[in-house]
Amino acid sequence: EVQLVESGGGLVQPGGSLRLSCAASGFSFSRYWMSWVRQAPGKGLEWVANIKQDGSEKYYVDSVKGRFTISRDNAKNSLYLQMNSLRAEDTAVYYCARGTTVVSNFDYWGQGTLVTVSS
Amino acid sequence: SYVLTQPPSVSVAPGKTARITCGGNNIGSKSVHWYQQKPGQAPVVVIYYDSDRPSGIPERFSGSNSGNTATLTISRVEAGDEADYYCQVWDSSSDHVVFGGGTKLTVL
Repeated sequence: EVQLVESGGGLVQPGGSLRLSCAASGFSFSRYWMSWVRQAPGKGLEWVANIKQDGSEKYYVDSVKGRFTISRDNAKNSLYLQMNSLRAEDTAVYYCARGTTVVSNFDYWGQGTLVTVSS
Repeated sequence: SYVLTQPPSVSVAPGKTARITCGGNNIGSKSVHWYQQKPGQAPVVVIYYDSDRPSGIPERFSGSNSGNTATLTISRVEAGDEADYYCQVWDSSSDHVVFGGGTKLTVL
């Protein structure tokens, strides 16, 4: 059974940092593109970043470029999102999601982890 | 950057047909995916690559994509179809995944 389990969310002050993790199981993690997608309270879905199977390609939404870093450890079947210089507008549920290719749909999603940026 | 435009809400009576549109510049040249999201749950893909349906998704769900509009069609709508629906593409010009703003489907 494919499972994606996010962790690392919580309350952080503006300007602070947080590292999200996504533990993958039930499939060959190294064969898939992986993404982070977020959803602010009461709002729609917003793609944050994605990373190629071998980590050689990474893309980011403009609003997080230079502040967030996506990475993966295929040996540990894990996806990460290092978030620095956090802002109130980064408050959201963060989902990790799996894709076959860069243009494909997200066929599996985690349950999400809530990040709250507030003083 | 590429923009996908969805109507904020669509209402339909049970048993009728709901059509949710997703507008974008020459979207017909892109692959469109559709997700259903119910409150408190992660999104679930209901249509991928314009018109393919994952296993477990009822045949009542179908999709089309041409010109500047992609459409998700839900036939014989049931109360359980009430949810938010999002379209999504990959924009190769910007190397960005793009989601539409979402459409809340209300079953009257």
